[in-house]
Amino acid sequence: ETGVTQTPRHLVMGMTNKKSLKCEQHLGHNAMYWYKQSAKKPLELMFVYSLEERVENNSVPSRFSPECPNSSHLFLHLHTLQPEDSALYLCASSQDVGASGTGGDTQYFGPGTRLTVL
Amino acid sequence: AQKITQTQPGMFVQEKEAVTLDCTYDTSDQSYGLFWYKQPSSGEMIFLIYQGSYDEQNATEGRYSLNFQKARKSANLVISASQLGDSAMYFCAMREGEGGTYKYIFGTGTRLKVLA
Repeated sequence: ETGVTQTPRHLVMGMTNKKSLKCEQHLGHNAMYWYKQSAKKPLELMFVYSLEERVENNSVPSRFSPECPNSSHLFLHLHTLQPEDSALYLCASSQDVGASGTGGDTQYFGPGTRLTVL
Repeated sequence: AQKITQTQPGMFVQEKEAVTLDCTYDTSDQSYGLFWYKQPSSGEMIFLIYQGSYDEQNATEGRYSLNFQKARKSANLVISASQLGDSAMYFCAMREGEGGTYKYIFGTGTRLKVLA
């Protein structure tokens, strides 16, 4: 495997279900990110991890719970979601976070998980 | 106020011609980074080009160049010799913040259609 992979690619869940999204990066990067992409809205940064520590949490509802067990893996645990949470969830990784002037935080994205909440 | 503004929701360009996609940004930081990404219909975001706020020369990557005008706070993407495979959504993004706290902000995107 190369680059950034995400599983599953598609997920349909009910509002009472619990599911998890998985992201794995094979680039040797130190930082990983979760984004939400809804129709007709800009990409929204949800969580940022650097060296397995959360460094950014943009007021995301607690029904989304991230986990970063090591620098190569990132999970997004989902529970009691709402229909408005239906979106494309994108994972990304970068060498570092905020490497000013060097482009070291250029993010490389996975293919995304298309989530539908019924 | 929008931090990243892409005023062109959709653009058409003839194959082999050049096209400019507009992006303006708003930040009070001295140090920031600007990125362009391409998102084909398959959904994956593909990094195209990066410009640091202190870079004096415009970034170039193959057929992509970034027209960086710092005083105007604009970072337009220029694609030369358009190809049919360039048809996609294009997003301008900015990283701002210092001292360990950073924000990554994306624009709403421009849909480019290359015509044969």
